[in-house]
Amino acid sequence: DTGVSQDPRHKITKRGQNVTFRCDPISEHNRLYWYRQTLGQGPEFLTYFQNEAQLEKSRLLSDRFSAERPKGSFSTLEIQRTEQGDSAMYLCASSLGLRAGSEEEKYFGPGTRLTVT
Amino acid sequence: AQTVTQSQPEMSVQEAETVTLSCTYDTSENNYYLFWYKQPPSRQMILVIRQEAYKQQNATENRFSVNFQKAAKSFSLKISDSQLGDTAMYFCAFMKPPSLIQGAQKLVFGQGTRLTINP
Repeated sequence: DTGVSQDPRHKITKRGQNVTFRCDPISEHNRLYWYRQTLGQGPEFLTYFQNEAQLEKSRLLSDRFSAERPKGSFSTLEIQRTEQGDSAMYLCASSLGLRAGSEEEKYFGPGTRLTVT
Repeated sequence: AQTVTQSQPEMSVQEAETVTLSCTYDTSENNYYLFWYKQPPSRQMILVIRQEAYKQQNATENRFSVNFQKAAKSFSLKISDSQLGDTAMYFCAFMKPPSLIQGAQKLVFGQGTRLTINP
């Protein structure tokens, strides 16, 4: 399968614990996005990478959240000191930007469902 | 900031019927992109159809078509000859034109419409 993959698919953690999610984009996609989707709502943008550079961060991304894409391939999203309000589906998407200013289709992963108890 | 509103939380139709999902948006931009995404139960979100605001012609993809009314800021999705496999959450999404500096733009999603196709 050459689509976007995310790991783990489900994570249950206790409040106060740290969690880390991984996203593997489609090979050679240079753009990677993280979104958060709470129950009954549409996805909300969290952050965006072009290659290894994090170019945009949402105000939703508090200082407990950090995302990396160290080699411009896979990305990790870490949440420190989790709170019950962090319970959500975390979606990753990737796209291939051939040139600045180009718009291209974004491909979504299956998501990681986080439950904070 | 852009907002997207889907006023129908749930819809249900019989197989083979035609169904229309509504979406309105708010923006001060003149050029932008609009999308409909499908999210089947426990499966990945996939793009159904896209529309560029500068194009007057409504986009069509097989059984899926849109009614884009720029002045009214309305972007509805029509599914013809609905099939059981069309059962899913449908999200309307807005995107500003890609930035020459940043290279890409985020999607702004509506709240979604849960569509059920009954046999």
